[in-house]
Amino acid sequence: VQLVESGGGFIQPGGSLRLSCAASEFIVTSNYMTWVRQAPEKGLEWVSVISAGGSTFYTESVKGRFTISRDNSKNTLYLQMNSLRVEDSAIYYCARDSPNTDAFDIWGQGTMVTVSS
Amino acid sequence: DIQMTQSPSSLSASVGDRVTITCRASQGISNYLAWYQQKPGKVPKLLISAASTLQSGVPSRFSGSGSGTDFTLTISSLQPEDVATYFCQKYNSAPLTFGGGTKVEIK
Repeated sequence: VQLVESGGGFIQPGGSLRLSCAASEFIVTSNYMTWVRQAPEKGLEWVSVISAGGSTFYTESVKGRFTISRDNSKNTLYLQMNSLRVEDSAIYYCARDSPNTDAFDIWGQGTMVTVSS
Repeated sequence: DIQMTQSPSSLSASVGDRVTITCRASQGISNYLAWYQQKPGKVPKLLISAASTLQSGVPSRFSGSGSGTDFTLTISSLQPEDVATYFCQKYNSAPLTFGGGTKVEIK
């Protein structure tokens, strides 16, 4: 059981990126799936969650700019990030909300997003 | 939104010491509280869910307690491999807020 993120990189303020999180050995659409970020030398910040039914929730600072989604055929979770700001720079992790506990039991390795001019 | 406050933000203790980290929620969250361990340069790891349920494979020197607004993570006998930052997190409803973290070092 694992998650593999991709799509991070260096982007100028105002730009867009789409992060991907490919899952293996479990079905993304059957689970709550989450994005968490961590700025350099900072703590963990929850970003967004998508429920098994497709409901989505976001932290206040990304509402209207980020969109969480998933593709059943690719068993992949996405985070579309628009209007990026310097303060969005962070390692972005995807994680599975455990079907048994609802806490985040499986984490990806993370993908770095750097927003800078 | 419910805020999660951890204390202390850092601590230094000797091998074998009992270490206690506190997490306080600004409103009651029942037992929807998880603890994660993040070693330097590594991905966070789930240690405890439902405030006190130890995950499979986690050493028994780790324990969690609490309900409502006040929670505790205890390491009964600190080991060198426990050097890490520990985060609490509420997961009863969005936003799924993390605490600020507690950095644990060996004295």
